[in-house]
Amino acid sequence: DGGITQSPKYLFRKEGQNVTLSCEQNLNHDAMYWYRQDPGQGLRLIYYSQIVNDFQKGDIAEGYSVSREKKESFPLTVTSAQKNPTAFYLCASSDRVRGETQYFGPGTRLLVL
Amino acid sequence: GQQLNQSPQSMFIQEGEDVSMNCTSSSIFNTWLWYKQEPGEGPVLLIALYKAGELTSNGRLTAQFGITRKDSFLNISASIPSDVGIYFCAINAGGTSYGKLTFGQGTILTVHP
Repeated sequence: DGGITQSPKYLFRKEGQNVTLSCEQNLNHDAMYWYRQDPGQGLRLIYYSQIVNDFQKGDIAEGYSVSREKKESFPLTVTSAQKNPTAFYLCASSDRVRGETQYFGPGTRLLVL
Repeated sequence: GQQLNQSPQSMFIQEGEDVSMNCTSSSIFNTWLWYKQEPGEGPVLLIALYKAGELTSNGRLTAQFGITRKDSFLNISASIPSDVGIYFCAINAGGTSYGKLTFGQGTILTVHP
């Protein structure tokens, strides 16, 4: 089964902690993306990567970091600098030719304790 | 980033009714997209539009790329309970090969049996 997996489904963070959200794809896609979803605001792009070992900031990158060491994996770290991290985080991937056709994972809901 | 204005914000309809929603922008774009997100899941691409004036159908869904290239419309005919979800318009701001999407705020659709 080809697709995108995100883990965990729910994640709890204490104040001042960094947490890492996992995203793995077996679609052989070059490009991967991280979005944040808040009620009433749609999806906002955090970071994206067109190729291994390269990534670009999206519209709301502050307080987040990523790495792209493998084609299949694009983990997102929510750092303590992100003051309002509670949200639904979605990972997506696409091939480089049809970047608009993005395949999304099931999401991770992050809650701050 | 780019701003997309999507309306209505929510709709409550009876099964069998037709649905219309639209999305507008102050800028011109070459690609308009419509995604659907079911509760607790990631969005799925419904329809992609690449040419001004283009009218594209996918089953009971029909979407149009506005002539001005600043708007798009999505219609759902004869709604059924499984149409429930959030519908997002999106544009590809970075060109075909980049996939840097900007999403509207979403239209929440509720269908009463």
